[in-house]
Amino acid sequence: AQKVTQAQTEISVVEKEDVTLDCVYETRDTTYYLFWYKQPPSGELVFLIRRNSFDEQNEISGRYSWNFQKSTSSFNFTITASQVVDSAVYFCALSSGETSGSRLTFGEGTQLTVNP
Amino acid sequence: EAEVAQSPRYKITEKSQAVAFWCDPISGHATLYWYRQILGQGPELLVQFQDESVVDDSQLPKDRFSAERLKGVDSTLKIQPAELGDSAMYLCASSLGTGLTIEQFFGPGTRLTVL
Repeated sequence: AQKVTQAQTEISVVEKEDVTLDCVYETRDTTYYLFWYKQPPSGELVFLIRRNSFDEQNEISGRYSWNFQKSTSSFNFTITASQVVDSAVYFCALSSGETSGSRLTFGEGTQLTVNP
Repeated sequence: EAEVAQSPRYKITEKSQAVAFWCDPISGHATLYWYRQILGQGPELLVQFQDESVVDDSQLPKDRFSAERLKGVDSTLKIQPAELGDSAMYLCASSLGTGLTIEQFFGPGTRLTVL
């Protein structure tokens, strides 16, 4: 069975602080993909990144970076020099298994508030 | 930029009434998804279409929920009768195809309140 856990329900930081959002996943499949989505107050989910289970290289995109560690089944997301516009709910998600197609299993989300 | 359209954005209804939500995916996207997102939780897949066919409705409460995509383009999700526990955000998403890597594009959602 697939499961994604985001232990941090809410995080509050002051602008320009760095913040890391944690994600731990469970799957019995050896081939899987991990995703991060952002959900601003307007409601739509915005795709941020996708990683496959065979690529453990960390990735940086502007102020965003991702740390994938198979040994701990974690896929953490760091925002450097946070801004007020980063305030949103962030979801980690997993797709795995040849029979599950593109079904995404989401974590419960982390509400990030960046205060000016 | 192409977007997934959903309507209505907000719906308030009384329990035992019927409600329907509409979704228009990005043009050319063969796969369409309906998710339910209860407040404070992550989205949960209700049903997935490939063109006009249902490929996954294992989490759809079929006694009261139905979904169709008759011409393989837009889709309707219906609840009859609505119950208090159905209050949630209903998100539609679309993608070019299926597979582990495929990116899903989400609409703005319909927020349902059942009184």
